[in-house]
Amino acid sequence: KQEVTQIPAALSVPEGENLVLNCSFTDSAIYNLQWFRQDPGKGLTSLLLIQSSQREQTSGRLNASLDKSSGRSTLYIAASQPGDSATYLCAENAGGTSYGKLTFGQGTILTVHP
Amino acid sequence: ETGVTQSPTHLIKTRGQQVTLRCSSQSGHNTVSWYQQALGQGPQFIFQYYREEENGRGNFPPRFSGLQFPNYSSELNVNALELDDSALYLCASSSGRGPGYEQYFGPGTRLTVT
Repeated sequence: KQEVTQIPAALSVPEGENLVLNCSFTDSAIYNLQWFRQDPGKGLTSLLLIQSSQREQTSGRLNASLDKSSGRSTLYIAASQPGDSATYLCAENAGGTSYGKLTFGQGTILTVHP
Repeated sequence: ETGVTQSPTHLIKTRGQQVTLRCSSQSGHNTVSWYQQALGQGPQFIFQYYREEENGRGNFPPRFSGLQFPNYSSELNVNALELDDSALYLCASSSGRGPGYEQYFGPGTRLTVT
C-alpha cells in the first residue's frame, strides 16, 4: 500500500526565514513526485514536479529534491513571505498502472508572520 | 487557454439524497481524474476517465460513479449520500491517462451533507 507522510503537520515562521518541508513515501518504484500549494477552501496549484530520473527542480524561491533510495522529498522555501502562508501537499505517482493515480500526504500548514 | 472548471462551487444535501458534480477539462485534455478531500486530509483518488471509459478506480464504493462525455467533460455522481461524504471534491485533467501526464486541478466543489 502506498503511503505518503508529511512532517511537520504545521509550521509557523517569521518572515524572511528559510524553511524545509519534508515528505516521505513508501513506494521505491515512484514515477514522479509533485508538490502543490492549497489556499483555504481552494483547489490545488502545482508548484514543482520531479521525475524519478531527476534529483531536484527549482522555481524561483522554491527548490524540491527527490531521493528515491531513502523515500524522501524536501521542499525548500527561501526568504519566506506572508503570501507563502498556505497548506503544502506532496503527492507521489507510483506508476505501474495504466492511469495516473496521485497519492497525497496530509499536508503541512505553513504560516509566515510579518 | 481555459483551465479546469467545476460546478457548483458549494452544495448542501441531505443524507440519502443523490448529487451530481461537474467538471470541464482543460482544452486539449482527454483524461479526467476525481479526488475527495476531507477536512484536514490530503485528497484521495476516486477514479479516472479516459476517452469516456473508466480507466482506474480507488477504494470507493459503487455508489460513487462517473461519466465522461465526448467533449471530455465529466460528472461525478454520488448516490445515497452519507455524512462522511462531506468533503471538497476535486477534478483534474491531463492530456493522457498514464502516470507521466501531469494533472491540472480545478477549484473544487464543497459538498456538505446534513
